Amino acid sequence: GEDVEQSLFLSVREGDSSVINCTYTDSSSTYLYWYKQEPGAGLQLLTYIFSNMDMKQDQRLTVLLNKKDKHLSLRIADTQTGDSAIYFCAEPITTSGTYKYIFGTGTRLKVLA
Amino acid sequence: DTGVSQDPRHKITKRGQNVTFRCDPISEHNRLYWYRQTLGQGPEFLTYFQNEAQLEKSRLLSDRFSAERPKGSFSTLEIQRTEQGDSAMYLCASSPPPQGFRETQYFGPGTRLLVL
Repeated sequence: GEDVEQSLFLSVREGDSSVINCTYTDSSSTYLYWYKQEPGAGLQLLTYIFSNMDMKQDQRLTVLLNKKDKHLSLRIADTQTGDSAIYFCAEPITTSGTYKYIFGTGTRLKVLA
Repeated sequence: DTGVSQDPRHKITKRGQNVTFRCDPISEHNRLYWYRQTLGQGPEFLTYFQNEAQLEKSRLLSDRFSAERPKGSFSTLEIQRTEQGDSAMYLCASSPPPQGFRETQYFGPGTRLLVL
C-alpha cells in the first residue's frame, strides 16, 4: 500500500544537528523529496535526492537514502530557531503519467534557544 | 512574485453553502495538482490536470467536488453543499513537464476552509 511514515515530533537545541527520518513504500520511486511547512503556510521545497544516490548535501542539509530499507533521512546542521517548522518527506507514485505525491504525516521540529 | 498563488487565503462558510477556490500556477507549468491537508496530517492528493485535461481524480473527491482548468492556465476547485468535514487546507501545486524522471511540484500558500 501507499504509506509514508515519519516520527511526529523532534526537539533540539539551537546549534545542534537535527535528524528527521522517513520510511517510504515504493521501491521504484526515482526521486524522493523533502518539504518544509511553516505555520499557516504552504509547502516549500527543500531538497530532493535521486534514487541512485546514497547521499546529497546542500549547504546545511544532508539527505541520506537507504534504498534497501526504504529509509530516507534529512539532517540539518547547526539548527536555527528559523528551522522550526513541519518537515514532510514525499514519494511520487507514478500512474499513467501522473506524479501523485504521497506525503508522510510530517515531523514537527522545535528548536529551543 | 512568480510562484503559485491561491485565492482566497482563508474562507469561512456555513454548512450547506458552495465555495470556490482559485489557483494560478507558475506560468510555464503545464501540470497542476490539488491536495487537501487536514490538521496534523500530510497533504492528500485530490486531482491532477495536464494542460486543460483532468487526468486523475482521487476517491477522496466526492460528487460534491469539481475542479476545472478551462484554458490550461488557472484552475478552480468548487465544493458544493459544504460539510464540516470539508474543513481543511486546500493546496495547489504546479510542475513543468518532467525532466527525465524528475517532476518537482511547487506549492501555493493554500486556502484554509472552515465550515461552521
